[in-house]
This record gives sequence, structure tokens and C-alpha cells, in this order.
Amino acid sequence: DIQMTQSPSSLSASVGDRVTITCQASQDISNYLNWYQQKPGKAPKLLIYDASNLETGVPSRFSGSGSGTDFTFTISSLQPEDIATYYCQQYDNLPPAFGQGTRLEIK
Amino acid sequence: QVQLQESGPGLVKPSQTLSLTCTVSGGSISSGDYYWSWIRQPPGKGLEWIGYIYYSGSTYYNPSLKSRVTISVDTSKNQFSLKLSSVTAADTAVYYCVSELKMGSSPSHSFDYWGQGTLVTVSS
Repeated sequence: DIQMTQSPSSLSASVGDRVTITCQASQDISNYLNWYQQKPGKAPKLLIYDASNLETGVPSRFSGSGSGTDFTFTISSLQPEDIATYYCQQYDNLPPAFGQGTRLEIK
Repeated sequence: QVQLQESGPGLVKPSQTLSLTCTVSGGSISSGDYYWSWIRQPPGKGLEWIGYIYYSGSTYYNPSLKSRVTISVDTSKNQFSLKLSSVTAADTAVYYCVSELKMGSSPSHSFDYWGQGTLVTVSS
């Protein structure tokens, strides 16, 4: 199975900051990577698919990049409503696998 | 827009079988446009994909759970179901039913619509 490793596991930033989360796959997954946002007590929400494509309706301050084994998720200007845990997920090979999550807090 | 709703017991005894049902609205399971998955999340932990089913009955299970998992579909009721046997405390989790678009002849594995989730606790 492919293992997904996210860093950091938690992050505290100020409103307006640029925030970056990384995700590393244990083997080459091309661009078969999604990013999800999960707010407390809610189901995850798909934000980015195919590593860099924004899901319809998702604000443009969110972006993703990378291919192969190394991927980056960025919030260009952090907003209070972005408080959540973010997960990467590979879908190159079955079973689909998620990273352990990055908890984002506001300073 | 597809909506999903999980239902089933919130408490299951160890060694028994966990059974959940997902009711789909806003679209027909028989349309063939989606595959239907279960994903779980232990309290305070990450997400684990359990498996999927297509309306035809075709399934694929996570090898880590394969020996204990059965996913079935009832197109007449627009529902699909999860059974997990021989449960232990490690199976305590929020269970989500999820849809994923069919891409060509395969699931996309991009999980776009989610139920609200249901907490199942395994305890005597």
C-alpha cells in the first residue's frame, strides 16, 4: 500500500498569512492526489483534485502543486473560516489512502 | 445534488457485526454515474477507506479489512449498506458513506459527496 506523510501535523498562523502544507507519497503517484478540508464535527470537503485543480466553488486562495512523490497545498491569505484539518489523499493505487492530517489554527 | 444519510445502531458489542445503511437522495444509484464508498474515522484520528460498490454489485474492499467487510446495494430502495464482522474497540469510529464519480469504467477515487457521518462505538 502507498503511505502518505503530511507535515506539519499542526500549524498555527495569523489571519492574512501564507500557509503551506506538504504531503509526501511513499512511491510515485503522478498527479493522482486530492486535498480535503475537514471542519470540526463535519465531513471532509474535497478542495483540490489531480494535485492542482480547484473544485468548483472553492475560493482561489487555495491552491495545490506537485507531482511524483512531493506535493504542496497552499492558502495564500489565511481567513478565520479556514480553521480546519487538511488531508491529502492518493488515488494512483488501490486502496486510496489519506495522510494523517494537518490541524490548522489561528494565532 | 446527491445527498447521503447514514443510519444504524450507535453501539455494537465486541465480536458482533456492525451494520450501517446509507440512503441516497437527489440521484439514483442505478444511474451508474457514481460508485458508492464507505470511509471511517476513529475519534481524533485520520481517515480510512473501507471499500466501494457499484450499482451492479461489483465491489472492492480495503485489503486491511477485506476478511470482515461486506458492502451491498439495494437499488429498489436507493440504498447501500456496510457490514463489518467481529468488531473490536479499534472499530469505534465515525462512519461516512461517500460517492465518487465514475470515470470511464472505474471509480475516480475523488470523494465528492459525503454523508454527515455516524458514530459507532464498540463496547460491552
